[in-house]
Amino acid sequence: KAGVTQTPRYLIKTRGQQVTLSCSPISGHRSVSWYQQTPGQGLQFLFEYFSETQRNKGNFPGRFSGRQFSNSRSEMNVSTLELGDSALYLCASSYTGTQNNEQFFGPGTRLTVL
Amino acid sequence: AQRVTQPEKLLSVFKGAPVELKCNYSYSGSPELFWYVQYSRQRLQLLLRHISRESIKGFTADLNKGETSFHLKKPFAQEEDSAMYYCALRPMEYGNKLVFGAGTILRVKS
Repeated sequence: KAGVTQTPRYLIKTRGQQVTLSCSPISGHRSVSWYQQTPGQGLQFLFEYFSETQRNKGNFPGRFSGRQFSNSRSEMNVSTLELGDSALYLCASSYTGTQNNEQFFGPGTRLTVL
Repeated sequence: AQRVTQPEKLLSVFKGAPVELKCNYSYSGSPELFWYVQYSRQRLQLLLRHISRESIKGFTADLNKGETSFHLKKPFAQEEDSAMYYCALRPMEYGNKLVFGAGTILRVKS
């Protein structure tokens, strides 16, 4: 089984721009979660999508948004980029979202905002 | 609010020595707890979870609700155990949301 894939792997943007990151879950997985990883704040939950619906949202500003398609692929968008948005963005997929469902992480997208 | 605390940023031990990575949590409900590991240049992966009560790669972790702890232990460290270890809590009312600790780097010296 192919693992979780994320594209692009690296991205450089400037302040004020917007960016879209993509996550393809493991085949058959319906839940996709996104995390931001920074040296200062560690791993922080952004949001989770399940069957095309946002199920949970972390404590991030509205500039961070996401969506999930019918094939379970997910995208997250960050508008009006700030220097502090520089981070590794991880996505994780699982079959459902109930207990005993392991989450599998992708390799991440490294976003640098200049 | 949910919080996970890993007090040590770095734990350095010699090969063959016992290892204990500390994890304390704060959560009012019944927690689901995990240890994730990230080896150099690899993606984050699940090591073990408290509900499975299993030993993976010689590591065990016991949930102590009285002390709100979920420490990771291994009796004899090996060099290949060197990695970053994250303790995580899954609040039952938030789907797949994981709350991570800051992580502990484990270095096993030969």
